[in-house]
Amino acid sequence: DGGITQSPKYLFRKEGQNVTLSCEQNLNHDAMYWYRQDPGQGLRLIYYSQIVNDFQKGDIAEGYSVSREKKESFPLTVTSAQKNPTAFYLCASSSLPGQEENTIYFGEGSWLTVV
Amino acid sequence: RKEVEQDPGPFNVPEGATVAFNCTYSNSASQSFFWYRQDCRKEPKLLMSVYSSGNEDGRFTAQLNRASQYISLLIRDSKLSDSATYLCVVRVNFGNEKLTFGTGTRLTIIP
Repeated sequence: DGGITQSPKYLFRKEGQNVTLSCEQNLNHDAMYWYRQDPGQGLRLIYYSQIVNDFQKGDIAEGYSVSREKKESFPLTVTSAQKNPTAFYLCASSSLPGQEENTIYFGEGSWLTVV
Repeated sequence: RKEVEQDPGPFNVPEGATVAFNCTYSNSASQSFFWYRQDCRKEPKLLMSVYSSGNEDGRFTAQLNRASQYISLLIRDSKLSDSATYLCVVRVNFGNEKLTFGTGTRLTIIP
């Protein structure tokens, strides 16, 4: 099936540890995104990438890092510098503006809890 | 002023009723508009894109008012399965992607 796969779905992290959330898509989309959602709040953009080996900071990039070595993969690392990492993390992808169907599609999300 | 504003609700509506909610946006250069549906503890899923001329998909109708900078979603003959949070999403296409999400409107359909 075509789509976006995030793993793990649930992750528990001790304070001071880095963790990496995986995101893989087989939709042949150029653009990929990471969002964070907190209870009762909207989605906030962490990082996005429109092309391999290039990415841009979103609104809340501090304490996070990403890489885009392959078109289909966009992993997110939550570092120990992120002071409040407990949240629901959503990976998404889309084609680029000007291309048909450039709506954004989401993976099923990853729940990260700091213990 | 927030870039995208929605009434958070919750709206509790009896089954079969018609319900409508609006979303206002502040950036007049916004180009694309969408409604997403998000179920509890799940990812958002595209409900429908919003076109300038307005568009309909079954019981759902979306409209765009550029002059007043708002989009609307109308749900007719509401079903229990329509209970969800509805997210308004606005995109400004300036070469770099910029999607802005509203905080969502929570809808509960009551039997």
